[in-house]
Amino acid sequence: GAGVSQSPSNKVTEKGKDVELRCDPISGHTALYWYRQSLGQGLEFLIYFQGNSAPDKSGLPSDRFSAERTGGSVSTLTIQRTQQEDSAVYLCASSAGGTVGADTQYFGPGTRLTVL
Amino acid sequence: SQQGEEDPQALSIQEGENATMNCSYKTSINNLQWYRQNSGRGLVHLILIRSNEREKHSGRLRVTLDTSKKSSSLLITASRAADTASYFCATVPISGSARQLTFGSGTQLTVLP
Repeated sequence: GAGVSQSPSNKVTEKGKDVELRCDPISGHTALYWYRQSLGQGLEFLIYFQGNSAPDKSGLPSDRFSAERTGGSVSTLTIQRTQQEDSAVYLCASSAGGTVGADTQYFGPGTRLTVL
Repeated sequence: SQQGEEDPQALSIQEGENATMNCSYKTSINNLQWYRQNSGRGLVHLILIRSNEREKHSGRLRVTLDTSKKSSSLLITASRAADTASYFCATVPISGSARQLTFGSGTQLTVLP
């Protein structure tokens, strides 16, 4: 079926505004992940969902970041009061959620966020 | 934070040559995965090797894993210009039910026609 999709592909916002990034995982995948990639920090894990619950939020950089997943499918990453250091490519991935040792994560094309 | 290092950071070769990239990591792992990234956007999954495996092949790709040295290598044989991309290794730790990937710093491969 279709791969992981993300929207928007690009987002430019002003400092202090809130933004919402959306991820549609591969149909049937129970696990969903958010990462971000920036020049200074490389690829960083943000949060992981199994179904609608988030057992691991350890990567969220501050309380301005939150995420939810509904119906075991679509996920939204919200950044409140954006700062310039939030500028990055935000990547979503999903996996079937089977045995950890063999569970491949498939990535979407990413959302490039620019905070002016 | 990143799990480990990849070397070289950049590699430039002629079409037809083989390319080898190395990855080192710090903690015990469940599996190690290699990804390719073009133009700083989505990551394309290449291969997954489990912690109890030592070598795996997929087409022109060969991955090795040495858990005693906490290292892995990716070999691309008979390279093509289309292989030009950034290559990342990523690990899933042995830690309860942890599933998140921890990425290396990446190798930028350039294949010259």
